[in-house]
Amino acid sequence: DQQVKQNSPSLSVQEGRISILNCDYTNSMFDYFLWYKKYPAEGPTFLISISSIKDKNEDGRFTVFLNKSAKHLSLHIVPSQPGDSAVYFCAASAMRNTGKLIFGQGTTLQVKP
Amino acid sequence: SQTIHQWPATLVQPVGSPLSLECTVEGTSNPNLYWYRQAAGRGLQLLFYSVGIGQISSEVPQNLSASRPQDRQFILSSKKLLLSDSGFYLCAWLSRTNYGYTFGSGTRLTVV
Repeated sequence: DQQVKQNSPSLSVQEGRISILNCDYTNSMFDYFLWYKKYPAEGPTFLISISSIKDKNEDGRFTVFLNKSAKHLSLHIVPSQPGDSAVYFCAASAMRNTGKLIFGQGTTLQVKP
Repeated sequence: SQTIHQWPATLVQPVGSPLSLECTVEGTSNPNLYWYRQAAGRGLQLLFYSVGIGQISSEVPQNLSASRPQDRQFILSSKKLLLSDSGFYLCAWLSRTNYGYTFGSGTRLTVV
């Protein structure tokens, strides 16, 4: 049972344009969501997070949007840069005290110069 | 500052051999620790987590086990590796600042 889904395995955008990565979840108990970025042969690094009491969180070029009614979140990168090329994972948590995160399958983003 | 160390970076092991992957954390006490695996073409799957010394929770039945002999040490083991154990293994600890993980650099395990 895949509770967190990233239905697009890959995305290609031109440098300077907007990248939009999507994530859907099924468990209504999730109350905290995170995005991670991963380069090959490295561990993922934390990018941005959002609590279920918010619908938007912004950090520089990165913005995460949460639509609770649709159980959908998205990561916007504006403007996209070649260094953003990586695999992006969304993750969700319903138990912050244990910190168990459920990850999506990942979306590979390629930003072309 | 908090750091997490994971080794080895790569490992090639024959089927039926034992496994021991070690993860240590510095700069924090009583961390929540996690083992994840990324199989080829798949997302990150939680294998084990630990909220304290000697406390291990297993998320999926499998050929692996975990132990936490010290506060900042988390070990992933197997007595006999299977081909299906191949993957990229990641250790992580939970930040109480953003409730996100800090991951180690990972171990690429290939069982042949």
